[in-house]
Amino acid sequence: RKEVEQDPGPFNVPEGATVAFNCTYSNSASQSFFWYRQDCRKEPKLLMSVYSSGNEDGRFTAQLNRASQYISLLIRDSKLSDSATYLCVVNRGANAGKSTFGDGTTLTVKP
Amino acid sequence: SQTIHQWPATLVQPVGSPLSLECTVEGTSNPNLYWYRQAAGRGLQLLFYSVGIGQISSEVPQNLSASRPQDRQFILSSKKLLLSDSGFYLCAWATPPNRDEQFFGPGTRLTVL
Repeated sequence: RKEVEQDPGPFNVPEGATVAFNCTYSNSASQSFFWYRQDCRKEPKLLMSVYSSGNEDGRFTAQLNRASQYISLLIRDSKLSDSATYLCVVNRGANAGKSTFGDGTTLTVKP
Repeated sequence: SQTIHQWPATLVQPVGSPLSLECTVEGTSNPNLYWYRQAAGRGLQLLFYSVGIGQISSEVPQNLSASRPQDRQFILSSKKLLLSDSGFYLCAWATPPNRDEQFFGPGTRLTVL
């Protein structure tokens, strides 16, 4: 079993749709969690950190469920520019610096 | 503001040839530095990380090595490339207050023929 698992998709949604991605992790000692966005043939870019209390940044909402060991990303009112691969990232310990990346979920937003 | 540079952007090398990829960070001091590899259509695999000059931790046994000769310089090397070394090589940095948030350079796309 992979340490971090994501549904690879692809998710094909129309503009304006709401879409949700889930990610599960196996190491219960994991301390910090992130979502990154990666455009085709580009480097990953930090989208948002995921906090236990949940956090929101505009159209994006991230949530963490430690008991079930999963994190989620919700995108509301999808834009064409949201088309990308979304990577779930789990860090093994506070400031350990060793992050495990999921294989990513691909989103295509269509007009 | 901090910036990270990687070069070259693309590289085509024959099997058995040596490799040297360089990464430098500007605008920060004492960063954690990381080398990742991404195979086509896959997630990122951590290869090496460094918490200071001369300090290298290897995550997986492989045909590669890393060095950190200066605080903001991280080098990935190989003496003899294998076909399986092809991939997208990404350097990343992280600094206090949150060393868990990593920021990536533009990457080097390596093809070994």
